[in-house]
Amino acid sequence: DQQVKQNSPSLSVQEGRISILNCDYTNSMFDYFLWYKKYPAEGPTFLISISSIKDKNEDGRFTVFLNKSAKHLSLHIVPSQPGDSAVYFCAASAANSGGGADGLTFGKGTHLIIQP
Amino acid sequence: SQTIHQWPATLVQPVGSPLSLECTVEGTSNPNLYWYRQAAGRGLQLLFYSVGIGQISSEVPQNLSASRPQDRQFILSSKKLLLSDSGFYLCAWSVWTSGSFHEQYFGPGTRLTVT
Repeated sequence: DQQVKQNSPSLSVQEGRISILNCDYTNSMFDYFLWYKKYPAEGPTFLISISSIKDKNEDGRFTVFLNKSAKHLSLHIVPSQPGDSAVYFCAASAANSGGGADGLTFGKGTHLIIQP
Repeated sequence: SQTIHQWPATLVQPVGSPLSLECTVEGTSNPNLYWYRQAAGRGLQLLFYSVGIGQISSEVPQNLSASRPQDRQFILSSKKLLLSDSGFYLCAWSVWTSGSFHEQYFGPGTRLTVT
């Protein structure tokens, strides 16, 4: 049973436009959410996170939105740049799991392709 | 600043052979350490985590094991590899920040192919 779902395996966006990556979760105990970016044959790089006490967190071109009632979060990248082409993973953890000490639950990832 | 190292970067091993992957972290003390695996077309699956020397928790049953002989060293092992053990293995670390361990930082990974 997949607790974190990224239903779009791939997404193609034109350079300069907004990229929106979506993520859904089923475990109501999750209270912290993260986005990672991954290039082939490299480890994931932490991008941005959000606590469940917030509904929005912004860092430069990246904004994460959280809708707790819908158990849905999204990552907005604007404007999209060629270097943003990568696989993006959504991840979640729960405070009651030792404050997140016992690891993250990841989605399967969305391959974002930025077209020139 | 903190850095995390994994080796080897790539490995091709026959079925039934042993495995040892090593991960070390620099620039931090008493980190939580994690092993994840990314199989082809799948997300990252947590295999083991450790909150201290000699303390290992396993998330999924498998023929892999982990050990933490030193504070900043985490080793993934197998006595006999299976074809299904092929994948991209990632080590990660986290420390207590703002009341949680949530944010994890990953190493470069090891590509294991079992033939």
